[in-house]
Amino acid sequence: AQKITQTQPGMFVQEKEAVTLDCTYDTSDPSYGLFWYKQPSSGEMIFLIYQGSYDQQNATEGRYSLNFQKARKSANLVISASQLGDSAMYFCAMRESGTSYGKLTFGQGTILTVHP
Amino acid sequence: DVKVTQSSRYLVKRTGEKVFLECVQDMDHENMFWYRQDPGLGLRLIYFSYDVKMKEKGDIPEGYSVSREKKERFSLILESASTNQTSMYLCASSFFDRGPNTEAFFGQGTRLTVV
Repeated sequence: AQKITQTQPGMFVQEKEAVTLDCTYDTSDPSYGLFWYKQPSSGEMIFLIYQGSYDQQNATEGRYSLNFQKARKSANLVISASQLGDSAMYFCAMRESGTSYGKLTFGQGTILTVHP
Repeated sequence: DVKVTQSSRYLVKRTGEKVFLECVQDMDHENMFWYRQDPGLGLRLIYFSYDVKMKEKGDIPEGYSVSREKKERFSLILESASTNQTSMYLCASSFFDRGPNTEAFFGQGTRLTVV
């Protein structure tokens, strides 16, 4: 069964608008972490934001925020005031505490295109 | 500045060749990982290592092996390359266990083409 699901293969947004990238996850581990990474066309993976399963508040990092709905098992990334440089592939990932040695499980990714 | 360095950005190899992908990290991380990235499939874990000479299979280990003789270096080996191993390969490293928020750092990726 897919542990991390990103249902949007591609998304388009106008510059300066906000966009939400969806991520749902599946785990029975009570302690887990959720990550979002950005991958520009150059290929490197850039860490954006982290949410822990016990965190009471939604994580925020600058223009990035995470809409964490634990009961629904969703961890959507919200990018406010989109910029042309936000065009990239975005991956949602999960680390479960019970998983040996901290490996990350990734979703399929969403390609975001920001239009001027 | 933290660094995970993969030896090649692009590689072209022939079917049947033995291929080595090298990864070096300078952060004294215990964990190192090899992922494969394919369109529509995201990143899938091939192998990982939590200590020198220790290795564990990931989700898709078939056709691959790994070597970790030194803490900073983790090699992925394609024993006999096949065209279905044409893909982007990403190396990552992290500390052993600092909780679920332990961040992984990635290399720049190696795009391998097997012809």
